[in-house]
Amino acid sequence: EVQLVQSGAEVKKPGESLKISCKGSGYSFTSYWIGWVRQMPGKGLEWMGIIYPGDSDTRYSPSFQGQVTISADKSISTAYLQWSSLKASDTAMYYCARQHGDYDPLDYWGQGTLVTVSS
Amino acid sequence: EIVLTQSPGTLSLSPGERATLSCRASQSVSSSYLAWYQQKPGQAPRLLIYGASSRATGIPDRFSGSGSGTDFTLTISRLEPEDFAVYYCQQYGSSPPGTFGQGTKVEIK
Repeated sequence: EVQLVQSGAEVKKPGESLKISCKGSGYSFTSYWIGWVRQMPGKGLEWMGIIYPGDSDTRYSPSFQGQVTISADKSISTAYLQWSSLKASDTAMYYCARQHGDYDPLDYWGQGTLVTVSS
Repeated sequence: EIVLTQSPGTLSLSPGERATLSCRASQSVSSSYLAWYQQKPGQAPRLLIYGASSRATGIPDRFSGSGSGTDFTLTISRLEPEDFAVYYCQQYGSSPPGTFGQGTKVEIK
């Protein structure tokens, strides 16, 4: 069974750093892209970027380039999304999801990680 | 960047009725690389339709997708109680980014 299990909810202060995770199982982790999607409170879905764990090829939405870093550790089948300095506007639910090829939809999703940034 | 515009914003219907949701792209979507997702409150999105008209694994046949170029439609033939949710379209033929529409909420009338 394909599963993407994300790390738990986080409460942080502005300016703090954060790294959240997404662990894949039940499939070949290095053969699928992992994408990250933001959903701000009460809002829609925003595509942030994707990584191919097989070779760490990473692509970002222009809206998120430079704001976050996507990485992966294929030895433990885990992808990451990190911030070096959080802002209140980063408060959102973050989902990871699997994508087979460059031009494929997001077919399996993690349960989401809620990030709250507040002073 | 391709912009997707969904309409209507909210659709108020009764169980058993037909739902027709629209997704219009600002430019042609390559090879119909258009997907539809369903999201219920407190849950992650779920893939319903890919390639504009192919149902994902386990999706009931009351869900169907159609369209090409810049105009796409998701149809739910007879609404079941569990179908009341928010629906998003996404284009993935011009990546990055794999932009989403703003969503259509299907609510109980």
